[in-house]
Amino acid sequence: SQKIEQNSEALNIQEGKTATLTCNYTNYSPAYLQWYRQDPGRGPVFLLLIRENEKEKRKERLKVTFDTTLKQSLFHITASQPADSATYLCASMTGGYNKLIFGAGTRLAVHP
Amino acid sequence: DTEVTQTPKHLVMGMTNKKSLKCEQHMGHRAMYWYKQKAKKPPELMFVYSYEKLSINESVPSRFSPECPNSSLLNLHLHALQPEDSALYLCASSEVDWGPYEQYFGPGTRLTVT
Repeated sequence: SQKIEQNSEALNIQEGKTATLTCNYTNYSPAYLQWYRQDPGRGPVFLLLIRENEKEKRKERLKVTFDTTLKQSLFHITASQPADSATYLCASMTGGYNKLIFGAGTRLAVHP
Repeated sequence: DTEVTQTPKHLVMGMTNKKSLKCEQHMGHRAMYWYKQKAKKPPELMFVYSYEKLSINESVPSRFSPECPNSSLLNLHLHALQPEDSALYLCASSEVDWGPYEQYFGPGTRLTVT
C-alpha cells in the first residue's frame, strides 16, 4: 500500500541552526509533496508544495527538496527560532483526487 | 480572506445526543473536507465534497453524517457517538479536489464524547 513516512518523531535543535526534516514515500510516485505546520490544538497550515520535476523550492527561511530517486523529500528551516517549534507534516496526494495522506509528523523543538 | 472557520471550538456530548459541527469558507473553493485527528497522530481523511457533492467517504461509520448545503458551508452531523470518537475534527477546503492545490484548514472542533 502507499505509505508516506517521517522517520523522526521529534527533533531538538539549538536556535540559529538549520533544522532538517525527512519524508520518505514507498509503493507509489507522488506528482507532488506538501509540507504543513501544526501547532498544538490548531489546524495544519500549508507551507510549501514541490512538484516531482522540481528539485528544490524556497520560501523565506524554508527550503524543500524532492528526490525521486531516493523517494524522499527534505524540509529545511535555516536560522531556526524558538517560534519555529511545532509539528511539521509531510503530505501527498493519492490517485487523481486531492486525497491527502499525511506522514506521522516530526515535532520540532528549537531551544534558545 | 483565506480563513476557514469552524464552530463550536469545543463540544462535549453524551452517547445519545445529536449535535452538528459547522464549517465555513469564503474563498470560492469548490472542494471541502472533514478530517479526524487523534492526539499525537496525523489528520485522517473522513469525507470529501466536490462541487457540493460527496465524492469520497473513507468508510466512515454512519453515526457521522456530512452535509454540504452550499458551496461555502459544510456540516458534520453526529449521532450516537462512542467515546473513541473523541478527537479534534478539522475542516479544510481547496480550490478543487484534484491537482496541486494546498488545503486550508480550520482551527478544529475538539469533541469529547462521554
